Amino acid sequence: GQNIDQPTEMTATEGAIVQINCTYQTSGFNGLFWYQQHAGEAPTFLSYNVLDGLEEKGRFSSFLSRSKGYSYLLLKELQMKDSASYLCAVSPPSGTYKYIFGTGTRLKVLA
Amino acid sequence: DAEITQSPRHKITETGRQVTLACHQTWNHNNMFWYRQDLGHGLRLIHYSYGVQDTNKGEVSDGYSVSRSNTEDLPLTLESAASSQTSVYFCASSKRQNTGELFFGEGSRLTVL
Repeated sequence: GQNIDQPTEMTATEGAIVQINCTYQTSGFNGLFWYQQHAGEAPTFLSYNVLDGLEEKGRFSSFLSRSKGYSYLLLKELQMKDSASYLCAVSPPSGTYKYIFGTGTRLKVLA
Repeated sequence: DAEITQSPRHKITETGRQVTLACHQTWNHNNMFWYRQDLGHGLRLIHYSYGVQDTNKGEVSDGYSVSRSNTEDLPLTLESAASSQTSVYFCASSKRQNTGELFFGEGSRLTVL
C-alpha cells in the first residue's frame, strides 16, 4: 500500500525556523516532492529529492532518508508570506504517473 | 510565457447535469493530470494522459471521463454530476515521466446542488 503522513497544522513566529515532517510507506518509490499551496491558489513546486541527504535552495531546504521513509522541509527566516499549506508527494516508479500526495501541513506564521 | 489555464474557475450546477471542465496548457507537455482536492484527503488523481489519444484512470475515476485529442487540452467531463463531486479540481502537466515537477492550473471550484 501507499501512505503519506504529515502533521495537519503548525504555527511558528516570523524570523524563526520550522521543520515540516513527512513519512511515507510506498510499494515503489522514485523521489519525493514538496509543493507550497497558498489558500485558494494552485500548488507550486518547491523541491525534489531523489538521493538521501539535504538539498538547499535559499531559505528552504529539503531532506530525504529513503531507508527510513522520511523527509522534511526546513524553512528558515520565516516570513508572513510563508503562511501556506505544504504538500509532500511521492513520485512513483518509472512507468506510472500516480504521484501520491499527503494531505498537507497548514503553516501559520505569526508576527 | 507558457502556462496552464482552467475554465470555468467557479461553477454551480445541479445533480444529474453533465459538466465539462476545460484545461489548456502551452508548455507542450506530454503528460497531463486531473486531481480533485478535498479537506482531509489531499490531492487525489482522477485521470491522466501521457500523450494524444492516451487516457488512464486514476484512483477516483468513477463518474468522470477525459479525452485527449491534442497535446494542449485535457477536458474533464462529469457525466451526471453528484453532490459527492463538489470539490476543487486541479489540472496539471509535466514534462518528464514522474521525475518532473507538476505545473498546476489555478483550479476550478465546482458545487453540485
